[in-house]
Parts: sequence; C-alpha cells; structure tokens
Amino acid sequence: AQKVTQAQTEISVVEKEDVTLDCVYETRDTTYYLFWYKQPPSGELVFLIRRNSFDEQNEISGRYSWNFQKSTSSFNFTITASQVVDSAVYFCALRPNTGGFKTIFGAGTRLFVKA
Amino acid sequence: GAVVSQHPSWVICKSGTSVKIECRSLDFQATTMFWYRQFPKQSLMLMATSNEGSKATYEQGVEKDKFLINHASLTLSTLTVTSAHPEDSSFYICSARDRGVTSYEQYFGPGTRLTVT
Repeated sequence: AQKVTQAQTEISVVEKEDVTLDCVYETRDTTYYLFWYKQPPSGELVFLIRRNSFDEQNEISGRYSWNFQKSTSSFNFTITASQVVDSAVYFCALRPNTGGFKTIFGAGTRLFVKA
Repeated sequence: GAVVSQHPSWVICKSGTSVKIECRSLDFQATTMFWYRQFPKQSLMLMATSNEGSKATYEQGVEKDKFLINHASLTLSTLTVTSAHPEDSSFYICSARDRGVTSYEQYFGPGTRLTVT
C-alpha cells in the first residue's frame, strides 16, 4: 500500500519556539519522491522541498530543516524559531516511481504560531 | 519556475448547473495533468489523471459522468462539474507534469473554490 501518515492534526506553538512536524510513509517502491508543501489560508500550495529515495542527506534551508530516515520511513520537518507567518497547513506527500506519477498526500498538520 | 494557472479562482453556482474550471500550464507543455479535490480541513484527494489527447483516468469512487475532464492540448485541461449539487462544493486543484524535464517535476495551480448553492 502507498500511504502517508501525519499523526499530528494540529500543533500550537508560541513564536520563536521550534516545532517538528512528523511524516511517516509506506511504499513498496524502491524509487520514490517525498515532498513537503505549505498551504496558507489562501489555499495555494507552496512547494517546500523534494527528496528522492536515494538521497538521505538532511537538508537545511534557512529556518527549515528536514530529516529523512529510510530505516524508519520518516521524513520529518522542523521549523526553527517559528514565526506567525509560518501558520498554515503543512502536507507531506509521496510520489512512488510506479503508479502513473500520482502524488499521495498525508492528512496535513495545521500549525498555529501565536505571537 | 513553471507556472500553472486556474480559472476561475472562485465560482458560485446554483444547484443543477454545470461549471467549467480551466487549468493551464503557462510556460511549459504538460503531457499529464492531475485534478484534486480538497474538502474543508481535509487533505487533497486525487480525482483523475488527464493525458493530452486521450481519455482521463478516474480514481475509484469518482463519477466520470459528473466530472468531465478534457485535455485537448498540451497546455490546457478542463474539469466540468455537471449538474452541480451543494455536496460538490470544494476546492479543486490541478497540477501539471512538465514533459520537458525529469520525472519529478510537477507544478500545482492556485486552486478554484466552488460553492454550489
């Protein structure tokens, strides 16, 4: 089965706190891509990162960092020193190499950052 | 980066009418486009895959006669919600695969919010 699980439905933090959004995926494909998207209230998906299954290097981009661990099938996302503008819904997604290029989304985690 | 547009960005229609949503790739050619539906506070669910010049492939549970998809050119796919009902009110998002680059490139449109009264 191809599946993405984001167990955290909502997270609320105070500005400047660090927060980690969890993502666990399932796939039988050996080649696949993982993504994180941000969806602000406007609704438009904002692409944050893409990672292929052969690249387990962690990545940092400004206040954002991602931890990819194939051993636990996890692709977690950390925001350091959160800001109010980070408030949004964050989706983790999986695109297996087979299956016609379909992208499977997790349920999303709604992040509230309070001033 | 590549841009995908959707038109309209929002639409309100009366129950029983049909609504057409356009998805365009503005600066690349898209052999494949995808249509997603997102209900409030829920995730994106794939409705169908649209390939240029051929019939769309619908996901299980999606009525093909109700959600008509046409992908007549490499830059345009349309989704028509026929005989819309209030339960069709949702946020519809398209994405397009750029045929000119490697397989991981896919771009999402800004979405169309449909409200059926």
